[in-house]
Amino acid sequence: KNQVEQSPQSLIILEGKNCTLQCNYTVSPFSNLRWYKQDTGRGPVSLTIMTFSENTKSNGRYTATLDADTKQSSLHITASQLSDSASYICVVSATPVSGTYKYIFGTGTRLKVLA
Amino acid sequence: DGGITQSPKYLFRKEGQNVTLSCEQNLNHDAMYWYRQDPGQGLRLIYYSQIVNDFQKGDIAEGYSVSREKKESFPLTVTSAQKNPTAFYLCASSTQRGARGYTFGSGTRLTVV
Repeated sequence: KNQVEQSPQSLIILEGKNCTLQCNYTVSPFSNLRWYKQDTGRGPVSLTIMTFSENTKSNGRYTATLDADTKQSSLHITASQLSDSASYICVVSATPVSGTYKYIFGTGTRLKVLA
Repeated sequence: DGGITQSPKYLFRKEGQNVTLSCEQNLNHDAMYWYRQDPGQGLRLIYYSQIVNDFQKGDIAEGYSVSREKKESFPLTVTSAQKNPTAFYLCASSTQRGARGYTFGSGTRLTVV
């Protein structure tokens, strides 16, 4: 069964600190992995996308890593800001034999950054 | 600017009523999707459409209906048959097969009163 699991469910950190969010998946055949940021009451916005051959991708203070062998990804946030408070969703897509790509969503990690 | 617009942002439904959520995109995307988001759960697919005048059921289609009469529009009707409709609804669009990922709308929060 295709699954994406994220940890922790929620996280509270102080402004300026770093944090790392985890994503483990069992999706086959693997196509790519995306991290989305979702502000409360808003739609998700893409942060990074990684294919099988990529193991690191950065977007400003956000750095995603991918280990395709262990089927794990992490999202590292450096020097956190209050605006980083949001849910972070890991999404893995499976390559279709035909038809559309299938997207499997994790349940997200809710991050709260405190002043 | 190209984008995807959902309206209204908040919607209240009385018991037994049908309500329709609007989703419009000007990205020239062929495919459109409706997802439901509940606290502590991942997004769940309700319906999707890869082309005009065609749509497919997702994982939780019961109690919902859609239409795709125009490429730009994919409205979702939450019918009275949906027993627990209170949720956050997200519309998304993509190229036909979805290889480049989704663009999401800003969502509609539906509450039953």
